Amino acid sequence: DGGITQSPKYLFRKEGQNVTLSCEQNLNHDAMYWYRQDPGQGLRLIYYSQIVNDFQKGDIAEGYSVSREKKESFPLTVTSAQKNPTAFYLCASSIGRDRPNYGYTFGSGTRLTVV
Amino acid sequence: GDSVTQMEGPVTLSEEAFLTINCTYTATGYPSLFWYVQYPGEGLQLLLKATKADDKGSNKGFEATYRKETTSFHLEKGSVQVSDSAVYFCALANFGNEKLTFGTGTRLTIIP
Repeated sequence: DGGITQSPKYLFRKEGQNVTLSCEQNLNHDAMYWYRQDPGQGLRLIYYSQIVNDFQKGDIAEGYSVSREKKESFPLTVTSAQKNPTAFYLCASSIGRDRPNYGYTFGSGTRLTVV
Repeated sequence: GDSVTQMEGPVTLSEEAFLTINCTYTATGYPSLFWYVQYPGEGLQLLLKATKADDKGSNKGFEATYRKETTSFHLEKGSVQVSDSAVYFCALANFGNEKLTFGTGTRLTIIP
């Protein structure tokens, strides 16, 4: 079955460390997105990518970095510059900007905790 | 720009009660409208959608009708169950906009 796989499901990071969250899709979608969700809060966009080797900052990109070397993969690195990284991170994909009526497919999320 | 305004939560109902979660939008042109559901500890799942005016999306007993005249897409269910407890997000997609626009989410709790 096609879908989006996020790994790991739970991740613990020590202060000052960089960590990378994985997001892989086999839906042949062009666009991919990273969101952050804090407890009881809505979704905030971190980064998005419409095509390979191109990505754009979202609303809260500071302290995060991404790459899009393959269509299937859109990893997110949470750097030590991110002051409050503890949150639930969601990856999503969509067919592309020409087909907005199809909406997004989401992964099951990664819960990151700073210890 | 596009925006979605969603009913403030949390909402608590008894089992078998009637549910309405309000959603209104601001957008140019003819956007597509979505409802997503997020169960505890999980990602979002598409619940239903409508792509043009007067369309009704439906799934798992939930319904929403795309009302262009009132710019609304209210979510309804006739008889809720405990298993419907989740966070519900209204969202909008528009040609020329690279991203979905989400509402803030409404937490629904159903008590037996």
